Order: sequence, then structure tokens, then C-alpha cells
Amino acid sequence: DAGITQSPRHKVTETGTPVTLRCHQTENHRYMYWYRQDPGHGLRLIHYSYGVKDTDKGEVSDGYSVSRSKTEDFLLTLESATSSQTSVYFCAISESRDRGNTEAFFGQGTRLTVV
Amino acid sequence: SQQGEEDPQALSIQEGENATMNCSYKTSINNLQWYRQNSGRGLVHLILIRSNEREKHSGRLRVTLDTSKKSSSLLITASRAADTASYFCATAAVGSAGNKLTFGGGTRVLVKP
Repeated sequence: DAGITQSPRHKVTETGTPVTLRCHQTENHRYMYWYRQDPGHGLRLIHYSYGVKDTDKGEVSDGYSVSRSKTEDFLLTLESATSSQTSVYFCAISESRDRGNTEAFFGQGTRLTVV
Repeated sequence: SQQGEEDPQALSIQEGENATMNCSYKTSINNLQWYRQNSGRGLVHLILIRSNEREKHSGRLRVTLDTSKKSSSLLITASRAADTASYFCATAAVGSAGNKLTFGGGTRVLVKP
């Protein structure tokens, strides 16, 4: 496995509470991504980062924020968790080379349940 | 909305048979990739095919790409029980910043021993 660690792996939280998920990489890859996976929807991009302090929104960014203060860490924050944010969250990384023809490497996922 | 749509949504075959799944997409792409996901695990990259390529092989995997039809297929030959997984296509759109990938809904493959 590529050096990607997601924490926590499982979390149950209450509606309205803030939640932060962490993604840590040891590959020194430029790009980092947060996806969520829900039945019937495949993976949908929440936010991505193209460098330290450089982030942008994905397809389903409402209710989420991110930060990247170091190359190796990408944090996803749910400001006020809602039941619709119950999902499995995946972090991914990819390199900046070959004019974008590079694969992504995925973490093992974080299963978040909002009750 | 999803860039890729996969067909079929589920596939059940006997060990030793071939498995074919298809992916359609909507926009111009730099490349198309296939990933495998075992239950409860992260996605694993299988193969990448560039927009100027028509066919690519990797072991028992064969991928085709038809950019005029905006479609791709993944063929797994001589399937094994260990190939039981979900398979996703993902596209990197032309002009898309950050190597972003857009995923299809996936095909669940069950290989029966």
C-alpha cells in the first residue's frame, strides 16, 4: 500500500458536532483529495489540494472545509455534522508528472456515522 | 452528476469465465482509469489508458477505449474467486486542474468457485 493513513478509521458522532478527519501521506505527492462513497453514487469529490495551503472545491463541498498546512497532511472538517454526511470517506493522493496521466492511491477509508 | 456510468451494475460468473464491464462518460478526457475495491477496503488502481490509446493490457486485464463513443470496457479473462470485488472507472477530464478523477457508480463482480 502507498503510504497513506487515514484517522480515525471509524467514528460515530452526534448531529451538530464538528468532526475532523485526517489524511497523512509519506509519499510527498503534490495532490491530495477527499472523496465520499455512498451506495449508488460511487465516489464523489469533496475537496482537493494542489499544494500547501492551496485547496479547491469538488462536486459535493457544501458543509465541508479542508486545510493543508503541510505537504503530508490534509484535514477534512465537517463544521456541524448532519445525518446526510454519514458516509465512508476516502483520502487519495497523486503525483504531478506526465501531464496528469498518473494514478491515484487511496487510503483505507473512514466510516463516519452521524446520529 | 457522475461522469462515468457503468454497465452492468452487478455481474455473477463462474471461476474461469471472462468478465466484461463497460463505462460511458460525457466529456473529453485526458485518460480513463479502472480501479478495484474489495469489500470494506480502499480502491486499488488497475490500469490507465490515455486518450490517444485504443487498447491496453495488464496481465489478465484488457481495457479498450473508444473516444468517439465516449466509452471504455474492462475485460478480466479467466476469472478467479479473488477477482470478486467492485470495479470502478474514473476519468480525468481535459483541462481539469489537479488530476481530479470523476468516478462511475461501479460494477459489483461475484466470481463463484
